[in-house]
Amino acid sequence: DGGITQSPKYLFRKEGQNVTLSCEQNLNHDAMYWYRQDPGQGLRLIYYSQIVNDFQKGDIAEGYSVSREKKESFPLTVTSAQKNPTAFYLCASSLSSGNTIYFGEGSWLTVV
Amino acid sequence: DQQVKQNSPSLSVQEGRISILNCDYTNSMFDYFLWYKKYPAEGPTFLISISSIKDKNEDGRFTVFLNKSAKHLSLHIVPSQPGDSAVYFCAADSGYALNFGKGTSLLVTP
Repeated sequence: DGGITQSPKYLFRKEGQNVTLSCEQNLNHDAMYWYRQDPGQGLRLIYYSQIVNDFQKGDIAEGYSVSREKKESFPLTVTSAQKNPTAFYLCASSLSSGNTIYFGEGSWLTVV
Repeated sequence: DQQVKQNSPSLSVQEGRISILNCDYTNSMFDYFLWYKKYPAEGPTFLISISSIKDKNEDGRFTVFLNKSAKHLSLHIVPSQPGDSAVYFCAADSGYALNFGKGTSLLVTP
């Protein structure tokens, strides 16, 4: 089945710990994205990558890091520097920038 | 600053009637717009899109209208069905990613 797979679906983290969310796609898309959803805030862009080995900060990149070593993978690390990390995280991809983007099922991160 | 605005957080419509969801944008450089539907704890799914060279695009029960001079677009769902109950996000392509509105929660009642 073609699509975007995010894991884990639910994750609990203690304050002060880094955590990495996985995102894999088998759609042969060049562009990948990470968004965050908070209640009443819509979807906000964290990082995006238009091509392998390249990525750019989005609107709310502080406290996050990414890598794009392989075309199909775009992991997001939520670091201890992120002040309010509890949220629903969404990974997405598109054939290239400027095309329709498709989302994974999302990952819930809760900091306890 | 929010460049894509959905000013109605919620909307309730009776089954069989028309649902109209509205969206405004501020950046006149946006030239491609999309609507996504989202259920709780799931990723958004693409519904329909429109390019700025058009003013209307239809796909089954869903029609998107674009008024460039007013920087306004709307999504019409007719007839509305209970399964349409979800949060609808309007998005505009900035050239490198999508800018999303805050969403409108649609409830279709039997």
